Amino acid sequence: QVQLQESGPGQLKPSETLSLNCAVSRYSITTGYYWGWIRQPPGKGLEWLGSIYASGSTHYTPSLKSRITISLDTPKNQFSLTLRSVTAADTATYFCARHTPAAMWEWGQGIQVIVPS
Amino acid sequence: QSALTQPASVSGSPGQSITISCTGTSSDVGADNYVSWYQLHPGKAPKLIIYDVTTRPSAAFNRFSGSKSGNTASLTISGLQPEDEAEYYCSSYKVGSITWVFGGGTKLTVL
Repeated sequence: QVQLQESGPGQLKPSETLSLNCAVSRYSITTGYYWGWIRQPPGKGLEWLGSIYASGSTHYTPSLKSRITISLDTPKNQFSLTLRSVTAADTATYFCARHTPAAMWEWGQGIQVIVPS
Repeated sequence: QSALTQPASVSGSPGQSITISCTGTSSDVGADNYVSWYQLHPGKAPKLIIYDVTTRPSAAFNRFSGSKSGNTASLTISGLQPEDEAEYYCSSYKVGSITWVFGGGTKLTVL
């Protein structure tokens, strides 16, 4: 069973850059599949942020395209999310997932990120 | 991009069946069969319960079934059990833009 685990800071200040990692176990991230980031703000629904394919090609949600970067770290078998110029609206639980067009097959437990207003 | 539309909440008694709808557009839900459903319990990793509109990933989800008509997909849970109380989200792949979209989520209460 593929396992994913998010890591990163739990809190940062407005205008700072959020950097999260997703460590992947029992599967090489370069073999195949999309590797994605999804978030859930408090009391709200899931929002797909973006994904990177095993080849390195990236796809982002239009509303965040100017602030987001997703990259692969192949030596560490992990992928990362960078979100620049955060505001309180970026407060959320952030999940990473392995997926195909059909479905998000495995998810991490999620990491809570707080940006005070 | 706009989220798919789901009812905010549904409820049912143990043993009953409930259905959650998920309405999108001809660019996502109606475009192909890449509709999936997820179960979220607080503090736990989301679980995939249906993919390709109707397919269950394992026998553990035998009480869950999916369907689609036009731009609306549906999740039916039969024989409700207390452990089914959770949030449920639909998702669709948007072929033309290589993006994914989720519904707003539905809170299921088992009375």
